Amino acid sequence: GNSVTQMEGPVTLSEEAFLTINCTYTATGYPSLFWYVQYPGEGLQLLLKATKADDKGSNKGFEATYRKETTSFHLEKGSVQVSDSAVYFCALSVTGTASKLTFGTGTRLQVTL
Amino acid sequence: EAGVAQSPRYKIIEKRQSVAFWCNPISGHATLYWYQQILGQGPKLLIQFQNNGVVDDSQLPKDRFSAERLKGVDSTLKIQPAKLEDSAVYLCASSLVDRPYSPPYEQYFGPGTRLTVT
Repeated sequence: GNSVTQMEGPVTLSEEAFLTINCTYTATGYPSLFWYVQYPGEGLQLLLKATKADDKGSNKGFEATYRKETTSFHLEKGSVQVSDSAVYFCALSVTGTASKLTFGTGTRLQVTL
Repeated sequence: EAGVAQSPRYKIIEKRQSVAFWCNPISGHATLYWYQQILGQGPKLLIQFQNNGVVDDSQLPKDRFSAERLKGVDSTLKIQPAKLEDSAVYLCASSLVDRPYSPPYEQYFGPGTRLTVT
């Protein structure tokens, strides 16, 4: 079956620190990979995505590269801000499965001044 | 463009009572999803509609959960009777219909309904 494993949180960083949130996956078929973000009191929002191996998704300073050989899609940001404090979810969807998303458990990021 | 609307935002009920949630997707989105997000976990798909037909309901506890999407637009999700373990956030999402053999379209999520069963 399909599954996503994320590093456990919470992750606490000082502002301007480097962020990495690890994500690995298993999939039957060829997946597209996603990072969703959930800010406090808000719904899930798509942060970035990659649909084939070696693609790099990027948005708002965040990046993630689809690594088929290591089945990974780690989220990175060079300099986090307090406003990045949120819960981040890694997810996958296998082409041909009607877009069903399989999510990881989420990683809470807390950025302090 | 209006986003996905859900109501109510919060609901508290006692176990064995019934509850219903409503979702209005983005205009033109034929695909609609209901997810259950238990505290500390990622969202889990309960049911997926395309227009008013069910595409996937393999993880819907059909003895107590039901969902419908009349006229292929709005949808309701019902729980009857509720159990303590149903306490969760229920998320509705919508998307365009995927093209065969192409990467999936983005799903847009509503704000969710937080259900507490006491």
